[in-house]
Amino acid sequence: NAGVTQTPKFRILKIGQSMTLQCAQDMNHNYMYWYRQDPGMGLKLIYYSVGAGITDKGEVPNGYNVSRSTTEDFPLRLELAAPSQTSVYFCASSPPEGAPTDTQYFGPGTRLTVL
Amino acid sequence: KNQVEQSPQSLIILEGKNCTLQCNYTVSPFSNLRWYKQDTGRGPVSLTIMTFSENTKSNGRYTATLDADTKQSSLHITASQLSDSASYICVVSGSGSARQLTFGSGTQLTVLP
Repeated sequence: NAGVTQTPKFRILKIGQSMTLQCAQDMNHNYMYWYRQDPGMGLKLIYYSVGAGITDKGEVPNGYNVSRSTTEDFPLRLELAAPSQTSVYFCASSPPEGAPTDTQYFGPGTRLTVL
Repeated sequence: KNQVEQSPQSLIILEGKNCTLQCNYTVSPFSNLRWYKQDTGRGPVSLTIMTFSENTKSNGRYTATLDADTKQSSLHITASQLSDSASYICVVSGSGSARQLTFGSGTQLTVLP
């Protein structure tokens, strides 16, 4: 299994541009998440999904959108990029609640800079 | 407000030495506590998970303890190796839901030869 994969690894955007961060998992996990990690700070939840067609906001959703058309894919869309969105973005997945481990599996991250 | 505080922020030790990282939390209600290891440029990887009823759990040279009464956890690393250099993140779940996790900002450990 490849686990959780993310593309691209790095990206530089200009203010006002838009882009989509891709995330895919091959573990048949129902739950998927997007986090951002700012320097010296804990991870913050942006959006999450409990299954195909179902998404919900996390702690810091403003400026982002998500969709979940399949179990495997959970893209994160940035519209009108702003410098405050400069961060490292992590996608994660986990088995359904109640699984013995209930552990999240993280992708390698996407480092985004908005200038 | 749910919070997870980790100390120290950074730590430098020599290879072969032991060290202990601390995590204090104010998350309530409490469901479980995880320790993750995050190598530079990588995503976090789970080391241990402990529920309310567990007060110690080991994973090789890593031993985590939990005191649910004082809301404190520690991660002890024995006989450190260069590959232990990473950020160690404490994560607390307040509801048993993987959707509602509070992340600490991590302790950056550097192991020198």
